[in-house]
Amino acid sequence: EAGVAQSPRYKIIEKRQSVAFWCNPISGHATLYWYQQILGQGPKLLIQFQNNGVVDDSQLPKDRFSAERLKGVDSTLKIQPAKLEDSAVYLCASSLGTGVVYGYTFGSGTRLTVV
Amino acid sequence: DQQVKQNSPSLSVQEGRISILNCDYTNSMFDYFLWYKKYPAEGPTFLISISSIKDKNEDGRFTVFLNKSAKHLSLHIVPSQPGDSAVYFCAAITGNQFYFGTGTSLTVIP
Repeated sequence: EAGVAQSPRYKIIEKRQSVAFWCNPISGHATLYWYQQILGQGPKLLIQFQNNGVVDDSQLPKDRFSAERLKGVDSTLKIQPAKLEDSAVYLCASSLGTGVVYGYTFGSGTRLTVV
Repeated sequence: DQQVKQNSPSLSVQEGRISILNCDYTNSMFDYFLWYKKYPAEGPTFLISISSIKDKNEDGRFTVFLNKSAKHLSLHIVPSQPGDSAVYFCAAITGNQFYFGTGTSLTVIP
């Protein structure tokens, strides 16, 4: 089974620039998550989609972050404009459903450095 | 507010010995607890889980223990192997929300 695909693997941008990350979940996985992991911290949920609807975006900094999941498959996460503190690994994960019994698979992440 | 805590940022263990990774939590409403393993430049991978109604779950070399009265979770790896060297995150779930600890970096010395 193919895993969760993310691109790019690495990105370096200057502050105030824009950046976008892409995630392709496991085929058939209805639930998709974006996490932000800052060095030395655990992953923090940014947004959760169920199909193409948003379930939870309470921790998404909506003034600069946006995410969409058109057609309930691929998803993009955008930061505009980026700040230095956005430097982190952005992880995408997917699962069949919202319960733990369905398992939970992470992608390899995108490492963002804002300079 | 950190609801799941891993107070040891790093741990070194000799190959063949037992590795014990600890995790504390504050929310008594957590339903499930999980351990994830993360290699550099890769996403976390699921390792083992335990329901809040159990106190032990074993899978091969990995055993997770849950002490609800102490709100404490531990992962035992026996015997430890060099390939186990990674960062281990504990996570807890209530409803649809995952809460992750800050991770413990395990180094297994050959």
